[in-house]
Amino acid sequence: DIQLSQSPSFLSASVGDRVTITCRASQGIDNSLAWYQQKPGKAPKLLIYGASTLQSGVPSRFSASGSGTEFTLTIDGLQPEDFATYYCQQLIDYPLFTFGPGTKVDV
Amino acid sequence: QVQLLQAGAEVRTPGSSVRVSCKASGGTFSNDAISWVRQAPGQGLEWMGGIVPLFGHANYAQKFQGRATITSDKSTSTVYMDLSSLTIEDTAAYFCARVPGAAVTASAFYGMDVWGQGTTVTVSS
Repeated sequence: DIQLSQSPSFLSASVGDRVTITCRASQGIDNSLAWYQQKPGKAPKLLIYGASTLQSGVPSRFSASGSGTEFTLTIDGLQPEDFATYYCQQLIDYPLFTFGPGTKVDV
Repeated sequence: QVQLLQAGAEVRTPGSSVRVSCKASGGTFSNDAISWVRQAPGQGLEWMGGIVPLFGHANYAQKFQGRATITSDKSTSTVYMDLSSLTIEDTAAYFCARVPGAAVTASAFYGMDVWGQGTTVTVSS
C-alpha cells in the first residue's frame, strides 16, 4: 500500500502569510496527487489534481508542485476563509486510494 | 453540474447494519466512479471503497473487505454503501465522492471533484 505523510500536522499562521504544506509518498507516484481543503462540518473540496493543476474556481493564491515522492501545497497570501485542514491524496493506485493525515492551518 | 445527495443522519446499535445512499442530481454517473470516504469525529479522511456504476464492480480498502458492500442502481442514479457488524468505532460522517471519467480512463487523474454533504452515522447502545 502507498502511504502518505504530511508536515506539519498543525500550522499557525496569520492573514497575509505565505504557507507551505508538504506531502510525502512512500513510493513514487509520478504526478498522481490531489489536494483537498476541508472546513469543520463540511465535505472536502478539491483544490488541486495532477499534483499542480488548479481545479476550476479555486483562487490563484493556491499553487502546488512536486512529482515522485515529494509534493507541496502553497497558499500565497492567506485569507480568513483559508483556515481549514488540508489533505493530500494519492491517485496512482486507482481504484484504491489513500489520504494523508491532514494539516490543520489555524490562527 | 451534478450534485451528490445524501441523507442526513442514521443511528444504529452495535452489531447492526446501516445503508447509506448517494443520489446524483442534475446528471448521472455515466462515465464516473463513486467512492465512499468516512471521517470519525476529530479524525482524518479514510477511503472505504468505490464502484463504477457503469460496470457495477466494486473495490474495497482491505480494512472494510467483507464488512462493506457498495452497489449501484443505474435506473435511479443512486449508489449505496452497506456496512455490517457495526461497532462504536464506526461512528463517523460518511461521504460519497465522484471520480470523474474513471469508467472511461480507468484512472483517477482528476481526483474527487464532487462530494455529497455527508451522512452522520452514530453507533450507540
